[in-house]
Amino acid sequence: EVQLVESGGGLVQPGRSLKLSCAASGFTFSNYYMAWVRQAPKKGLEWVATISTSGSRTYYPDSVKGRFTISRDNAKSSLYLQMNSLKSEDTATYYCARHYYSSYILDYWGQGVMVTVSS
Amino acid sequence: DVQMTQSPSYLAASPGESVSISCKASKSINTYLAWYQEKPGKTNKLLIYSGSTLQSGTPSRFSDSGSGTDFTLTIRSLEPEDFAVYYCQQHNEYPLTFGSGTKLEIK
Repeated sequence: EVQLVESGGGLVQPGRSLKLSCAASGFTFSNYYMAWVRQAPKKGLEWVATISTSGSRTYYPDSVKGRFTISRDNAKSSLYLQMNSLKSEDTATYYCARHYYSSYILDYWGQGVMVTVSS
Repeated sequence: DVQMTQSPSYLAASPGESVSISCKASKSINTYLAWYQEKPGKTNKLLIYSGSTLQSGTPSRFSDSGSGTDFTLTIRSLEPEDFAVYYCQQHNEYPLTFGSGTKLEIK
């Protein structure tokens, strides 16, 4: 059974940093692109980042480019999201998701972890 | 970026009825559209992708039609477990973009 479990969320002040983790199990992690997607309170879904199988390629929307960094450790079946220079508008539930191989389809999602950016 | 416009944002129906949700892309995405279901306490579920391909486990009462810029998710003979929030997503290019969601509630 595919499982994605996020951790590392919490309350952080504007301008500070936070690192999220996602522990994957139930599939060969190194064979799949992985992504982070977020959902602000009462809002819709926003894609945040994607990383290739080896980690050599990363993709971001303009809203987080230069502030967020996605990375992975295939030996640990783990995905990470380093978030710097956090803003109040980054407040959201962050979901780890698996791409269907290298496609742009997200076939499995985690339960999500809440990040609140506030002073 | 491809903007996805989803409507309606809210829909009320009774079990047994059929409903349709619209998703429009700001430019052609061929048939590269996915639909997801969001339910409280559960992980988001991929229902349909590439316009019409049912993900394994998706009941056949779910279907999608359309190509290019206009797509419609139809759910026939609603079951109690279908009441949820539905999102469309274009999977044609980066950045990946989603519709704003449709909340389907029991009438």
